[in-house]
Amino acid sequence: NAGVTQTPKFRILKIGQSMTLQCTQDMNHNYMYWYRQDPGMGLKLIYYSVGAGITDKGEVPNGYNVSRSTTEDFPLRLELAAPSQTSVYFCASSYRLYSGNTIYFGEGSWLTVV
Amino acid sequence: AQKVTQAQTEISVVEKEDVTLDCVYETRDTTYYLFWYKQPPSGELVFLIRRNSFDEQNEISGRYSWNFQKSTSSFNFTITASQVVDSAVYFCALSSDKLSFGAGTTVTVRA
Repeated sequence: NAGVTQTPKFRILKIGQSMTLQCTQDMNHNYMYWYRQDPGMGLKLIYYSVGAGITDKGEVPNGYNVSRSTTEDFPLRLELAAPSQTSVYFCASSYRLYSGNTIYFGEGSWLTVV
Repeated sequence: AQKVTQAQTEISVVEKEDVTLDCVYETRDTTYYLFWYKQPPSGELVFLIRRNSFDEQNEISGRYSWNFQKSTSSFNFTITASQVVDSAVYFCALSSDKLSFGAGTTVTVRA
């Protein structure tokens, strides 16, 4: 069972570079999320999507963009990478928006901006 | 506004000791859900338990148990007879209109 798959697992970026974190899920979930986890902190919501073609900002959206062209895929784009974006990124999905439904997480992507 | 507070940053115990992790939450919603997730050293997030705000029945699952007290807005988690494999960061989370995480408690179990 694949669940939520995100790539790459590790990446080093130079300041000002751009990259896309890929996320795909095979559970036919409508809802998908991107979180970031900074050292010693919990997870902060960057963007989320309630279905194909619909995206919305979370708590910390600045510096990121997302798209949701299909139910399965929810890529996260970093434009002009900055050291403050050094973090661990988690993609997640759920059947419904938050309340009650278990959210399934990918294995995380470790990003370092130097 | 909603908030999750895990006051314990780190807990270190010797194998077979019990460990209790505290979680206190704030929300204005009457319907909400509470979660515990485990993040082992490998980094993935593992779902442990979900509780809704109307279900205050405590639960035991193997060596894990949870104590939900709505009157004190607490959702504590206990590991009984801890093992080295329990070493991880444990996150408490609150879900109503969004999912908010606590900062996590790092549990280290020494052999």
